[in-house]
Amino acid sequence: DAKTTQPPSMDCAEGRAANLPCNHSTISGNEYVYWYRQIHSQGPQYIIHGLKNNETNEMASLIITEDRKSSTLILPHATLRDTAVYYCIVQKTSYDKVIFGPGTSLSVIP
Amino acid sequence: DVKVTQSSRYLVKRTGEKVFLECVQDMDHENMFWYRQDPGLGLRLIYFSYDVKMKEKGDIPEGYSVSREKKERFSLILESASTNQTSMYLCASSFTQGTQYFGPGTRLLVL
Repeated sequence: DAKTTQPPSMDCAEGRAANLPCNHSTISGNEYVYWYRQIHSQGPQYIIHGLKNNETNEMASLIITEDRKSSTLILPHATLRDTAVYYCIVQKTSYDKVIFGPGTSLSVIP
Repeated sequence: DVKVTQSSRYLVKRTGEKVFLECVQDMDHENMFWYRQDPGLGLRLIYFSYDVKMKEKGDIPEGYSVSREKKERFSLILESASTNQTSMYLCASSFTQGTQYFGPGTRLLVL
């Protein structure tokens, strides 16, 4: 079973911020939170990851709660090309058996 | 940019055929992975390798084998393809810690 839970689907208006939540209440101290996305018929693409501090890169921001039991991926200005399935996973290292759950299907609406 | 390539985007095979899926990465990553992805089941790990000639079973290794003779290349082998192996196959690679980089996937249809 996946170690994370995410809503199955979300909509977001084009140009607005998309906030995708993830619950990982059983995360352990040395596990990172990773986000990937998968656009239809392509392989998953890495977005961002973090341990306990908030992180930002050119694609997104990652906000991790202080207790680390949940996180939010923020796409600041969603475009139609951001329509994809977004996966939140936790892992210590890549030796870990990484489990991709069903993710959140984000639809960006014009 | 990291590049992970897979030998075919689409493949059609017949039941009982031996099938080779090849994956090549150009970033000198130690780890390589094979997943399959099916509707409603998400990504499931078949095998992974953390070094040349090393392999570890994932969640669903039955019916599959792998080969890693060179660091950059990881092959998935279906010894005798069956219809229930029709799926999307995804290869990924990574350094020891963290981020996995995925190939574009191979859609395999077994008739």
